[in-house]
Amino acid sequence: GENVEQHPSTLSVQEGDSAVIKCTYSDSASNYFPWYKQELGKRPQLIIDIRSNVGEKKDQRIAVTLNKTAKHFSLHITETQPEDSAVYFCAPKTGANNLFFGTGTRLTVIP
Amino acid sequence: DAGVIQSPRHEVTEMGQEVTLRCKPISGHNSLFWYRQTMMRGLELLIYFNNNVPIDDSGMPEDRFSAKMPNASFSTLKIQPSEPRDSAVYFCASREDRANQPQHFGDGTRLSIL
Repeated sequence: GENVEQHPSTLSVQEGDSAVIKCTYSDSASNYFPWYKQELGKRPQLIIDIRSNVGEKKDQRIAVTLNKTAKHFSLHITETQPEDSAVYFCAPKTGANNLFFGTGTRLTVIP
Repeated sequence: DAGVIQSPRHEVTEMGQEVTLRCKPISGHNSLFWYRQTMMRGLELLIYFNNNVPIDDSGMPEDRFSAKMPNASFSTLKIQPSEPRDSAVYFCASREDRANQPQHFGDGTRLSIL
């Protein structure tokens, strides 16, 4: 089955700095790579996704980069703000057509 | 678009009681997923349906758990009898059945078994 790992598990940054979270996966058949943000007590929400025919996608302050050869993709948040504080999950799509959620990264942005 | 609707939002019950969680997917979405989230185990997929048919129930913990999808707009997850270790947040998600579409989550049901 799929093996998904996220690093780091916790991350603290000063407001305005950048944050990078990396996700490694094992299923070479994975071809869809979303990132979800979950605020405390709320539901996971999709913030950005990338498909395997592109290497990078950007949406304002967030970006995702994909390295299919090395089987990892990363979430980049620039100019972090306190409202970016949340748990972030990568969820590569498996060959079984499901999303396999990583264990999450707790990001804290210090004002 | 009302999004995925789950009920109840909170449920507190005594162990041994039957618990039924409900989900209405987004209209037009033909894949539906039930997840359980705990601090210890993270977000676990319990079961998923496609066109109302259970496709993968390998995540269902044991026979006390059952899920149904009688039609395209309604699904239930039932626990009978409930145990304290079933306490968790249960999320329902739905997805449009086209290639590489994201899942959309409901607000979850916070279940506490005393």
